[in-house]
Amino acid sequence: SAVISQKPSRDICQRGTSLTIQCQVDSQVTMMFWYRQQPGQSLTLIATANQGSEATYESGFVIDKFPISRPNLTFSTLTVSNMSPEDSSIYLCSVPRQANYGYTFGSGTRLTVV
Amino acid sequence: QKEVEQNSGPLSVPEGAIASLNCTYSDRGSQSFFWYRQYSGKSPELIMFIYSNGDKEDGRFTAQLNKASQYVSLLIRDSQPSDSATYLCAGVNTGGFKTIFGAGTRLFVKA
Repeated sequence: SAVISQKPSRDICQRGTSLTIQCQVDSQVTMMFWYRQQPGQSLTLIATANQGSEATYESGFVIDKFPISRPNLTFSTLTVSNMSPEDSSIYLCSVPRQANYGYTFGSGTRLTVV
Repeated sequence: QKEVEQNSGPLSVPEGAIASLNCTYSDRGSQSFFWYRQYSGKSPELIMFIYSNGDKEDGRFTAQLNKASQYVSLLIRDSQPSDSATYLCAGVNTGGFKTIFGAGTRLFVKA
């Protein structure tokens, strides 16, 4: 299965600022997914990033708050904009495994907003 | 809202025992189900997937699916302390475009 390099692994940010999270995949993938995992909570899908088109956002998530770039088939970024303490969470990127047998996840970004 | 429900635990079992993790889902059209293991501070790792009713075995792990009851389970035989983690159940929704994750069950295996 694909190997994903995600960075930064963690950051502490001031409220009102923005953080961009990067994911690099070692193979070409059509779809990449961005999830949020709040403490003790399930994984919540933020958006699906397809190369060459706008990202598709889930209910409750908007492009102005979580802009996504997908410049090629191996790379994507998620920006968390105008951060507030409520944005403190773990953010994960993922790609489908071969034959769509589940997902492979990046190592995650632990974000704390103060 | 389609959901996947899990008991948050913690579930505590002694080393060598069978750990039984359970999951129910509300989307009757879901066809594919997955179990992920997530160690503290780490990202989820796929350990089992099941598409058909019945049992699927892989080493010490057995996944069970009952579509009529909308129930998925994971059995871990000969539990080891290294199995201590949170186990996430996930199902792919009708149409196959979205994976819904449960909140996870924390498992502790006592040495």
